[in-house]
Amino acid sequence: SQQGEEDPQALSIQEGENATMNCSYKTSINNLQWYRQNSGRGLVHLILIRSNEREKHSGRLRVTLDTSKKSSSLLITASRAADTASYFCATINAGNNRKLIWGLGTSLGVNP
Amino acid sequence: DVKVTQSSRYLVKRTGEKVFLECVQDMDHENMFWYRQDPGLGLRLIYFSYDVKMKEKGDIPEGYSVSREKKERFSLILESASTNQTSMYLCASSLGGQGYEKLFFGSGTQLSVL
Repeated sequence: SQQGEEDPQALSIQEGENATMNCSYKTSINNLQWYRQNSGRGLVHLILIRSNEREKHSGRLRVTLDTSKKSSSLLITASRAADTASYFCATINAGNNRKLIWGLGTSLGVNP
Repeated sequence: DVKVTQSSRYLVKRTGEKVFLECVQDMDHENMFWYRQDPGLGLRLIYFSYDVKMKEKGDIPEGYSVSREKKERFSLILESASTNQTSMYLCASSLGGQGYEKLFFGSGTQLSVL
């Protein structure tokens, strides 16, 4: 069953703008991961944030985690046309690290 | 960088055919996965292997089997392909101690069953 829910389902912005995507989940987690998928290709791991972390950065990516609200956000700053892709969150439930629960993704379009 | 290679990018098969999807990874990862991805349903785990000759069923194993005879290769088998198995199939791998953390994916195989 899908636990993560990304919001919005689709987002269209201009190059140079920031893009924010949100992920909500239902149960306690060990960690939360974000992946990117370019059209018709495999997924690429972007960043992992553990349940005891609140914020993490990687290049132009910033991820926050609010375990009290059971939500995470992915911020892409100064977006580029090459950032056009679908972005997925995935969680590993606390106590069950053998199962990865995927959201349905946010489709991001960055217009040049 | 880890490379996960899936043998075919596109595949067209007939109903009832036996279909083999091959996946090879070059980084000595213990864990390997097969997912299918369908619009509106997201990624669903078919099978998972944590060691040679070891496998575990995922969420939707019915109609599929797997084989892992060597550490680097994980094969997905559709014994008798059906039209509802038309989908994008994604193979992934990860380090043994990390389980489901930081999966490396192949480029996917778009399978059409006619």
